[in-house]
Amino acid sequence: DTGVSQNPRHKITKRGQNVTFRCDPISEHNRLYWYRQTLGQGPEFLTYFQNEAQLEKSRLLSDRFSAERPKGSFSTLEIQRTEQGDSAMYLCASSLNRGNNTIYFGEGSWLTVV
Amino acid sequence: AQKITQTQPGMFVQEKEAVTLDCTYDTSDPSYGLFWYKQPSSGEMIFLIYQGSYDQQNATEGRYSLNFQKARKSANLVISASQLGDSAMYFCAMRGLGNTPLVFGKGTRLSVIA
Repeated sequence: DTGVSQNPRHKITKRGQNVTFRCDPISEHNRLYWYRQTLGQGPEFLTYFQNEAQLEKSRLLSDRFSAERPKGSFSTLEIQRTEQGDSAMYLCASSLNRGNNTIYFGEGSWLTVV
Repeated sequence: AQKITQTQPGMFVQEKEAVTLDCTYDTSDPSYGLFWYKQPSSGEMIFLIYQGSYDQQNATEGRYSLNFQKARKSANLVISASQLGDSAMYFCAMRGLGNTPLVFGKGTRLSVIA
């Protein structure tokens, strides 16, 4: 399978715990995106990388959210001190920054904070 | 900034019939791209079709076509010969100048009836 891979697919955590999601993009893609989607809404952009550089992070929801892409390949999204309002699906996507720049998504990581 | 509006929360269509899902957009960028994605209940966002703002012809991909009316700022998705497997959420999205991250609408839930 050469698509975007995310894990874990499902995570249930207690309020106040930290969680980390991992994303492996399509291998030749240099851009990687994180989105959040809540029920009944479209995906909401959080942050993105070009190679290892984080080009936009002002949309991260609070300072409890952080993302890294240390070697320009896989990326992690960490949420510290989780709150019930963080319950959502976290989508990762990747693209090749040329042509029509079609963005391909992974299957998402569902987070439930109890 | 880009904005996408999808005014149809839900649509029903008879199997084998055609259906049009509406999308209007707003942007001040001279160049932009418009995308449609399908999201089945499994959660994965599946790329369907792309239209560039300077493309002379409407995009087509199999049973999907995009009715692009630039002056009206609309990019409606037409699905011909609907199948039961087409039942899903459909999202319209756009990116602006410089391959900015996608902005999504709230989606339309399509239900295909046998």
